[in-house]
Amino acid sequence: DTAVSQTPKYLVTQMGNDKSIKCEQNLGHDTMYWYKQDSKKFLKIMFSYNNKELIINETVPNRFSPKSPDKAHLNLHINSLELGDSAVYFCASSRGPEQFFGPGTRLTVL
Amino acid sequence: RKEVEQDPGPFNVPEGATVAFNCTYSNSASQSFFWYRQDCRKEPKLLMSVYSSGNEDGRFTAQLNRASQYISLLIRDSKLSDSATYLCVAHNNAGNMLTFGGGTRLMVKP
Repeated sequence: DTAVSQTPKYLVTQMGNDKSIKCEQNLGHDTMYWYKQDSKKFLKIMFSYNNKELIINETVPNRFSPKSPDKAHLNLHINSLELGDSAVYFCASSRGPEQFFGPGTRLTVL
Repeated sequence: RKEVEQDPGPFNVPEGATVAFNCTYSNSASQSFFWYRQDCRKEPKLLMSVYSSGNEDGRFTAQLNRASQYISLLIRDSKLSDSATYLCVAHNNAGNMLTFGGGTRLMVKP
């Protein structure tokens, strides 16, 4: 009965690889998000997406791309991984202003 | 200057104490505000929404001062289980984006 779920929970990979993180929500929300929380614990929005509009934080490299097969899913694809991409990535969803977060994916790039 | 600023702490308080956290925001267009709680290695969880001048939920009271662009969270009768990082969050209607402060760490000791 998990509301917002992410897989995998942990991801360890080499520099230069391409990886994906999956997110699913069963709350019936129409907007989903990806956040990055770095080692200093700052949580920063990367993308906001509903079926009409994708809003990208301009600081996000174009190696990162969200893909939404349907309203309940928003996956994050990352190409050519770099050391600085190591962080915890959180998916979230909302209908109104309050957002609900998934458990996070801890990405480590070696 | 960060858009949402908080004292990182840590605040070390004994059980039963009253503790207050402050937060300032710079974007006057922010419409609503939230306090989220984040436990170590967990996702942020919504604690309180702050839509008007403030609201109260049990031992927790949040206040908003739009003129001073200032939000506070008061925790009365602190419990050991209140130990966590408290994140001040501003909501911007454009793109339904949340902007997080860096968090204030609270440690409640026996």
